[in-house]
Amino acid sequence: QVTLKESGPVLVKPTETLTLTCTVSGFSLSNARMGVSWIRQPPGKALEWLAHIFSNDEKSYSTSLKNRLTISKDTSKSQVVLTMTNMDPVDTATYYCARLLSDGYNYNYFDYWGQGALVAVSS
Amino acid sequence: DIQMTQSPSSLSASVGDRITITCRASQSISRFLNWYQQKSGKAPNLLIYAASSLQSGVPSRFSGSGSGTDFTLTISSLQPEDFATYYCQQNYSTTYTFGQGTKLEIK
Repeated sequence: QVTLKESGPVLVKPTETLTLTCTVSGFSLSNARMGVSWIRQPPGKALEWLAHIFSNDEKSYSTSLKNRLTISKDTSKSQVVLTMTNMDPVDTATYYCARLLSDGYNYNYFDYWGQGALVAVSS
Repeated sequence: DIQMTQSPSSLSASVGDRITITCRASQSISRFLNWYQQKSGKAPNLLIYAASSLQSGVPSRFSGSGSGTDFTLTISSLQPEDFATYYCQQNYSTTYTFGQGTKLEIK
Protein backbone atom coordinates (compact mmCIF):
# COMPACT_ATOMS: atom_id res chain seq x y z
CA GLN A 1 0.00 0.00 0.00
CA VAL A 2 1.52 3.25 -1.18
CA THR A 3 1.20 6.29 1.07
CA LEU A 4 2.78 9.72 1.25
CA LYS A 5 2.45 12.08 4.20
CA GLU A 6 3.56 15.68 4.49
CA SER A 7 4.74 17.18 7.76
CA GLY A 8 6.05 20.55 8.80
CA PRO A 9 5.04 23.81 10.45
CA VAL A 10 1.53 25.14 10.16
CA LEU A 11 2.68 28.75 10.49
CA VAL A 12 5.87 30.51 9.45
CA LYS A 13 6.83 34.16 9.62
CA PRO A 14 7.74 36.29 6.61
CA THR A 15 11.42 35.95 5.62
CA GLU A 16 11.74 32.61 7.44
CA THR A 17 12.70 29.35 5.76
CA LEU A 18 10.08 26.62 5.40
CA THR A 19 11.11 22.99 5.73
CA LEU A 20 8.63 20.29 4.76
CA THR A 21 9.11 16.54 4.94
CA CYS A 22 7.33 13.91 2.86
CA THR A 23 7.48 10.44 4.39
CA VAL A 24 6.63 7.68 1.95
CA SER A 25 5.76 4.02 2.38
CA GLY A 26 4.96 1.14 0.06
CA PHE A 27 7.75 1.96 -2.37
CA SER A 28 11.45 2.82 -2.35
CA LEU A 29 12.93 6.18 -3.26
CA SER A 30 15.67 4.22 -5.05
CA ASN A 31 13.21 2.62 -7.48
CA ALA A 32 14.27 3.79 -10.94
CA ARG A 33 10.65 4.16 -12.09
CA MET A 34 9.66 6.47 -9.28
CA GLY A 35 10.34 9.97 -8.09
CA VAL A 36 8.67 12.50 -5.80
CA SER A 37 7.49 16.03 -6.51
CA TRP A 38 6.27 18.87 -4.34
CA ILE A 39 3.20 20.74 -5.58
CA ARG A 40 1.36 23.58 -3.86
CA GLN A 41 -2.08 25.14 -4.05
CA PRO A 42 -2.93 28.55 -2.59
CA PRO A 43 -6.46 28.74 -1.16
CA GLY A 44 -8.98 28.78 -4.01
CA LYS A 45 -6.28 28.73 -6.67
CA ALA A 46 -4.64 26.31 -9.08
CA LEU A 47 -2.01 23.66 -8.54
CA GLU A 48 1.58 24.83 -8.94
CA TRP A 49 4.41 22.32 -9.42
CA LEU A 50 7.50 23.25 -7.38
CA ALA A 51 10.26 20.64 -7.48
CA HIS A 52 11.06 17.02 -8.25
CA ILE A 53 13.71 14.52 -7.20
CA PHE A 54 14.50 11.43 -9.23
CA SER A 55 15.68 8.06 -7.97
CA ASN A 56 19.25 8.87 -9.13
CA ASP A 57 19.14 12.07 -7.03
CA GLU A 58 18.79 14.39 -10.04
CA LYS A 59 16.58 17.37 -9.30
CA SER A 60 14.30 19.69 -11.20
CA TYR A 61 12.88 23.01 -10.05
CA SER A 62 10.20 25.47 -11.08
CA THR A 63 11.91 28.19 -13.08
CA SER A 64 10.14 30.97 -11.20
CA LEU A 65 11.02 29.63 -7.74
CA LYS A 66 14.27 27.76 -8.21
CA ASN A 67 16.34 30.37 -6.40
CA ARG A 68 14.34 29.72 -3.24
CA LEU A 69 13.89 25.93 -3.37
CA THR A 70 16.01 22.94 -2.40
CA ILE A 71 14.79 19.36 -2.64
CA SER A 72 16.63 16.39 -1.17
CA LYS A 73 15.97 12.84 -0.08
CA ASP A 74 17.06 10.32 2.50
CA THR A 75 16.37 6.93 0.97
CA SER A 76 17.07 5.04 4.19
CA LYS A 77 14.40 7.07 5.99
CA SER A 78 12.00 7.10 3.00
CA GLN A 79 11.82 10.89 3.23
CA VAL A 80 11.90 13.74 0.75
CA VAL A 81 12.57 17.21 2.13
CA LEU A 82 11.71 20.57 0.56
CA THR A 83 13.11 23.84 1.82
CA MET A 84 11.80 27.20 0.65
CA THR A 85 13.62 30.33 1.73
CA ASN A 86 12.39 33.87 2.29
CA MET A 87 8.75 32.98 2.84
CA ASP A 88 6.08 35.57 2.05
CA PRO A 89 2.34 35.70 2.71
CA VAL A 90 1.73 34.86 -0.97
CA ASP A 91 3.35 31.48 -0.24
CA THR A 92 0.40 30.55 1.98
CA ALA A 93 -0.85 27.31 0.47
CA THR A 94 -1.50 23.62 0.87
CA TYR A 95 1.71 21.81 0.03
CA TYR A 96 1.42 18.33 -1.46
CA CYS A 97 3.99 15.68 -2.18
CA ALA A 98 3.18 13.19 -4.93
CA ARG A 99 4.79 10.14 -6.47
CA LEU A 100 5.68 10.33 -10.15
CA LEU A 101 5.55 6.95 -11.79
CA SER A 102 7.28 6.24 -15.09
CA ASP A 103 5.66 3.58 -17.20
CA GLY A 104 7.58 1.51 -19.73
CA TYR A 105 7.06 4.11 -22.47
CA ASN A 106 8.54 7.19 -20.77
CA TYR A 107 5.12 8.51 -19.81
CA ASN A 108 5.12 9.88 -16.28
CA TYR A 109 2.21 10.71 -14.03
CA PHE A 110 1.40 11.51 -10.41
CA ASP A 111 -0.38 8.38 -9.28
CA TYR A 112 -0.28 8.83 -5.50
CA TRP A 113 -0.57 12.04 -3.49
CA GLY A 114 -0.25 12.96 0.15
CA GLN A 115 -3.16 14.53 1.97
CA GLY A 116 -1.50 17.94 1.87
CA ALA A 117 -0.16 20.26 4.55
CA LEU A 118 -1.56 23.76 4.93
CA VAL A 119 1.14 26.32 5.61
CA ALA A 120 0.27 29.91 6.49
CA VAL A 121 2.76 32.74 6.28
CA SER A 122 2.02 35.55 8.69
CA SER A 123 3.74 37.70 11.26
CA ASP B 1 8.72 26.51 -19.16
CA ILE B 2 5.87 24.96 -21.08
CA GLN B 3 2.63 26.82 -20.38
CA MET B 4 -0.65 24.91 -20.17
CA THR B 5 -3.90 26.77 -20.84
CA GLN B 6 -7.29 25.25 -20.10
CA SER B 7 -10.67 26.34 -21.36
CA PRO B 8 -13.16 27.08 -20.15
CA SER B 9 -12.15 28.18 -16.65
CA SER B 10 -15.58 27.20 -15.40
CA LEU B 11 -18.48 25.26 -16.79
CA SER B 12 -22.06 24.69 -15.68
CA ALA B 13 -23.71 21.46 -16.74
CA SER B 14 -26.43 19.03 -15.72
CA VAL B 15 -26.38 15.38 -14.73
CA GLY B 16 -26.36 13.30 -17.89
CA ASP B 17 -24.71 15.96 -20.05
CA ARG B 18 -21.66 15.32 -22.21
CA ILE B 19 -18.92 17.86 -21.60
CA THR B 20 -15.50 18.59 -23.02
CA ILE B 21 -12.60 20.47 -21.46
CA THR B 22 -9.72 21.68 -23.58
CA CYS B 23 -6.03 22.00 -22.70
CA ARG B 24 -3.50 23.70 -24.94
CA ALA B 25 0.29 23.53 -24.56
CA SER B 26 2.59 26.41 -25.51
CA GLN B 27 4.71 23.99 -27.54
CA SER B 28 4.31 20.48 -28.84
CA ILE B 29 4.33 17.88 -26.05
CA SER B 30 3.48 14.81 -28.13
CA ARG B 31 1.16 12.77 -25.90
CA PHE B 32 2.84 13.62 -22.59
CA LEU B 33 -0.34 14.95 -21.02
CA ASN B 34 -2.22 13.88 -17.90
CA TRP B 35 -5.63 14.82 -16.46
CA TYR B 36 -6.55 15.01 -12.77
CA GLN B 37 -9.79 15.52 -10.87
CA GLN B 38 -9.79 17.43 -7.59
CA LYS B 39 -12.70 17.60 -5.20
CA SER B 40 -12.96 20.29 -2.58
CA GLY B 41 -10.48 19.82 0.26
CA LYS B 42 -8.92 16.70 -1.27
CA ALA B 43 -5.74 15.88 -3.14
CA PRO B 44 -5.99 15.53 -6.92
CA ASN B 45 -6.76 12.13 -8.40
CA LEU B 46 -5.28 10.85 -11.67
CA LEU B 47 -7.87 10.20 -14.38
CA ILE B 48 -6.00 9.98 -17.70
CA TYR B 49 -2.31 9.61 -18.54
CA ALA B 50 -0.45 9.66 -21.86
CA ALA B 51 -3.30 11.78 -23.27
CA SER B 52 -5.80 8.93 -23.62
CA SER B 53 -4.97 6.05 -21.25
CA LEU B 54 -7.56 5.55 -18.52
CA GLN B 55 -6.08 5.10 -15.04
CA SER B 56 -7.13 1.88 -13.33
CA GLY B 57 -10.40 2.26 -11.46
CA VAL B 58 -11.54 5.37 -13.31
CA PRO B 59 -15.02 5.05 -14.89
CA SER B 60 -15.15 4.62 -18.65
CA ARG B 61 -17.29 7.74 -19.08
CA PHE B 62 -13.99 9.67 -18.82
CA SER B 63 -11.89 9.81 -21.97
CA GLY B 64 -8.98 11.85 -23.27
CA SER B 65 -7.67 12.65 -26.71
CA GLY B 66 -5.17 14.81 -28.51
CA SER B 67 -1.49 15.12 -29.30
CA GLY B 68 0.98 17.88 -30.04
CA THR B 69 -0.46 21.04 -28.50
CA ASP B 70 -4.23 20.41 -28.25
CA PHE B 71 -5.93 17.98 -25.90
CA THR B 72 -9.43 17.30 -24.62
CA LEU B 73 -11.00 15.60 -21.64
CA THR B 74 -14.54 14.35 -22.23
CA ILE B 75 -17.09 13.10 -19.73
CA SER B 76 -19.76 11.27 -21.70
CA SER B 77 -22.60 11.39 -19.18
CA LEU B 78 -22.08 13.52 -16.10
CA GLN B 79 -22.73 11.93 -12.75
CA PRO B 80 -23.25 13.86 -9.48
CA GLU B 81 -19.82 12.84 -8.23
CA ASP B 82 -18.11 14.37 -11.30
CA PHE B 83 -18.67 17.96 -10.20
CA ALA B 84 -15.16 19.00 -9.30
CA THR B 85 -12.16 20.87 -10.67
CA TYR B 86 -10.08 19.33 -13.48
CA TYR B 87 -6.43 19.98 -14.25
CA CYS B 88 -4.20 19.03 -17.13
CA GLN B 89 -0.45 18.55 -16.59
CA GLN B 90 2.41 18.05 -19.00
CA ASN B 91 5.31 15.67 -18.50
CA TYR B 92 7.16 16.38 -21.73
CA SER B 93 9.69 18.43 -19.82
CA THR B 94 10.84 17.80 -16.28
CA THR B 95 9.29 21.06 -15.10
CA TYR B 96 5.88 19.44 -14.74
CA THR B 97 3.49 22.34 -15.25
CA PHE B 98 -0.27 22.26 -14.63
CA GLY B 99 -3.09 24.10 -16.33
CA GLN B 100 -5.06 26.68 -14.35
CA GLY B 101 -7.98 24.33 -13.83
CA THR B 102 -11.58 24.02 -15.00
CA LYS B 103 -14.29 24.11 -12.36
CA LEU B 104 -17.30 21.99 -13.28
CA GLU B 105 -20.45 23.08 -11.51
CA ILE B 106 -24.02 21.85 -11.39
CA LYS B 107 -26.46 23.86 -13.49
